[in-house]
Amino acid sequence: DQQVKQNSPSLSVQEGRISILNCDYTNSMFDYFLWYKKYPAEGPTFLISISSIKDKNEDGRFTVFLNKSAKHLSLHIVPSQPGDSAVYFCAASAEGTYKYIFGTGTRLKVLA
Amino acid sequence: SAVISQKPSRDICQRGTSLTIQCQVDSQVTMMFWYRQQPGQSLTLIATANQGSEATYESGFVIDKFPISRPNLTFSTLTVSNMSPEDSSIYLCSVGSGNGAYNEQFFGPGTRLTVL
Repeated sequence: DQQVKQNSPSLSVQEGRISILNCDYTNSMFDYFLWYKKYPAEGPTFLISISSIKDKNEDGRFTVFLNKSAKHLSLHIVPSQPGDSAVYFCAASAEGTYKYIFGTGTRLKVLA
Repeated sequence: SAVISQKPSRDICQRGTSLTIQCQVDSQVTMMFWYRQQPGQSLTLIATANQGSEATYESGFVIDKFPISRPNLTFSTLTVSNMSPEDSSIYLCSVGSGNGAYNEQFFGPGTRLTVL
């Protein structure tokens, strides 16, 4: 049972345009969500997080939106840059636990 | 964030052998974790490495197959025992950023294991 799903395995976007990466979850106990970026041959790098008390968190070019009723979150990258090309994982956890459940990842390719 | 290193970065091993992966952190951390990423799959938590006590394993993972040591607050090892081709994965250690309920986890570069 995949509790965190990233249904798009890949996404291509032109440089300068918006990249939108989506993530759905099934466990209503999840209340903290993170996005990680992973380059080949490197470990995942923490990007941005959001708790369930918010519906939006912004950090520079990266914004994460959370829709609790739909159990859906999305990562927006504006403007997209070629250096953003990587695999993006969303992850979720429940309060009081240190266990994160990861999605399968979306490979983003930003075209110059 | 902590600087995390892993050894080896990659290895090719024969079926039935064992491999020990080391994880070194440049500062003392309370929470250390071991993950596995099988080809095309998400990251899956194997266990939480507890300093001074036995590791806490997730469902589907057992100590006999994945023994873990945590001798101090900066170092941990994961052994993949009696390997089979199904153990071919990237193994990652991670550390929690703090002691609160919500912590970002920071990952090492990973160990790419291929079992023939």
